[in-house]
Amino acid sequence: DAMVIQNPRYQVTQFGKPVTLSCSQTLNHNVMYWYQQKSSQAPKLLFHYYDKDFNNEADTPDNFQSRRPNTSFCFLDIRSPGLGDAAMYLCATSRKKSPSPQHFGDGTRLSIL
Amino acid sequence: GQQLNQSPQSMFIQEGEDVSMNCTSSSIFNTWLWYKQDPGEGPVLLIALYMAGELTSNGRLTAQFGITRKDSFLNISASIPSDVGIYFCAGQSSSGSARQLTFGSGTQLTVLP
Repeated sequence: DAMVIQNPRYQVTQFGKPVTLSCSQTLNHNVMYWYQQKSSQAPKLLFHYYDKDFNNEADTPDNFQSRRPNTSFCFLDIRSPGLGDAAMYLCATSRKKSPSPQHFGDGTRLSIL
Repeated sequence: GQQLNQSPQSMFIQEGEDVSMNCTSSSIFNTWLWYKQDPGEGPVLLIALYMAGELTSNGRLTAQFGITRKDSFLNISASIPSDVGIYFCAGQSSSGSARQLTFGSGTQLTVLP
């Protein structure tokens, strides 16, 4: 089945130690998104790629960066994680042509020690 | 900015009962989406609405897109234990280079046996 796959499902890192989360998709969608979701809250968009064009949300901390080496893969890099970065990180994809709802992966739960 | 008001925030119902939740917005959306999120998982798309006034069903779920494009409701008939989870509405606009989502705050549904 075509899907959005996130690895790992659970990630533990130390305060200040860089961490990378990955997302892959078999849907061949042009657009890929990264969201941060904290407990009991709705997902919050960090940034998205429209094909190769990177679009950062205005309030996304500089600590968060992303790479998209090809259509299928997208990475979220957190350079120096702080305790406040502990959250669920969700990847989503959609087609470029409207209408196209976003399809989410199962997320990576990040814990900071 | 755009905001979605989702209600109720939480619901406790008996198995077999029908459920209704809704979202309203001060802004117009091109698409309205309903997602369900189980603990530790990513949001799963339940229903997508594309036209004002559209009424769509998916099994026991029924959702409608308001005529003004500023509201939507989701009904679940004959609830079962696996309906437990958080339900999010999301409005999708077509501005800019991506299909930005604005999420409601979620409705936590608990189904009692």
